[in-house]
Amino acid sequence: DIQMTQSPSSLSASVGDRVTITCRASQGIRNDLGWYQQKPGQAPKRLIYVASILQSGVPSRFSGSGSGTEFTLTISSLQPEDFATYYCLQHNSHPYTFGQGTKLEIK
Amino acid sequence: EVQLVESGGGLVQPGGSLRLSCAASGFTFSSFWMSWVRQAPGKGLEWVANINEDGSETNYVDSVKGRFTISRDNAKNSLYLQTNSLRAEDTAVYYCASGGWLDFWGQGTLVTVSS
Repeated sequence: DIQMTQSPSSLSASVGDRVTITCRASQGIRNDLGWYQQKPGQAPKRLIYVASILQSGVPSRFSGSGSGTEFTLTISSLQPEDFATYYCLQHNSHPYTFGQGTKLEIK
Repeated sequence: EVQLVESGGGLVQPGGSLRLSCAASGFTFSSFWMSWVRQAPGKGLEWVANINEDGSETNYVDSVKGRFTISRDNAKNSLYLQTNSLRAEDTAVYYCASGGWLDFWGQGTLVTVSS
């Protein structure tokens, strides 16, 4: 199975900050990766697919990059509504696997 | 607008069974892979299973192989997860998600396995 190592597991930041979350795959997954945002009591929502394509309707302050084994999600200027938990997902091979999650909290 | 509505969750004793359903609308259901993903209370996301467009291919995470069965009825725009021999560690919110890349998600249905 492909292991997805996500870091950091938690992050404290302020409105307006630039933040970066990283996912590392235990083997190459091309660009078969998505990023998801989950708020308490809600279902996950996809932000980015195939590593770098912004989901329709998602603000442009979110961006994704990477290929192979290392991927990043960047939020260029944090907004109050961005405080949530973020997950990466590899869909290169079965079983699909998620990163452990990054909880983004208000400083 | 894509809509996915899960149902069928509830409280079940260890060793019991439940059949989860996901009603899909707003897209051509028969043209897309579908998945189930679960989330134990306070924990992260775990992909459980997926099924291809016509139901001829299925995949499972090891922890549910032989106990869970994913299926679909394209005429009814519905996805199912038959869960048997349930264990306490299967307690979770179960989400259905559309597409091979888990594009859109339903709101989930809670399965609680407890005596």
